[in-house]
Amino acid sequence: DAKTTQPNSMESNEEEPVHLPCNHSTISGTDYIHWYRQLPSQGPEYVIHGLTSNVNNRMASLAIAEDRKSSTLILHRATLRDAAVYYCILRDPHYNQGGKLIFGQGTELSVKP
Amino acid sequence: EAGVAQSPRYKIIEKRQSVAFWCNPISGHATLYWYQQILGQGPKLLIQFQNNGVVDDSQLPKDRFSAERLKGVDSTLKIQPAKLEDSAVYLCASSRTSGSSVYNEQFFGPGTRLTVL
Repeated sequence: DAKTTQPNSMESNEEEPVHLPCNHSTISGTDYIHWYRQLPSQGPEYVIHGLTSNVNNRMASLAIAEDRKSSTLILHRATLRDAAVYYCILRDPHYNQGGKLIFGQGTELSVKP
Repeated sequence: EAGVAQSPRYKIIEKRQSVAFWCNPISGHATLYWYQQILGQGPKLLIQFQNNGVVDDSQLPKDRFSAERLKGVDSTLKIQPAKLEDSAVYLCASSRTSGSSVYNEQFFGPGTRLTVL
């Protein structure tokens, strides 16, 4: 399984943009890049996913490098409720009935008021 | 729609005792997952069901852990006997699709926090 590398922790100020990086130099052509986050004392929740093109949804944006060896999750205006552990995960949808999620250590994001 | 339900939310047992966790996935979701999350680590998949069949149980310690999904809906995860290193949060998740799909968002329950003394 292809691995991802993320910083252990990051800090942000409230209402400022946050860029969470992820390196995945061994990504295969069929791997999708998924982001989940886990708020304190809760289960993880889906944030966004993409393959090659940049993606936007109501929660965040995903910027994918042209060579796909790295990606960045962008929170446009961080709020205190965005404080969580963010996981960058590679998933091959053609593996194991939809592809299992392999979580790494993630990045713990703290947001200061 | 209602989320993934899990019970109990907390459980404290002594080593060598047995424990069982229950999960009710989102209605209509074909795939159900059990994860183990040790403090400070990301969740690790223990077992994946497609309807009531096992798709992947390669990380399940089968000498002490067992899981079943009756009638392709609810699921139970059992540990017998428990060890100190089993202290963790046990997360249940479900997803709608069966078969390979690009979009297969997993919805997680709140988890059961197990403490083994």
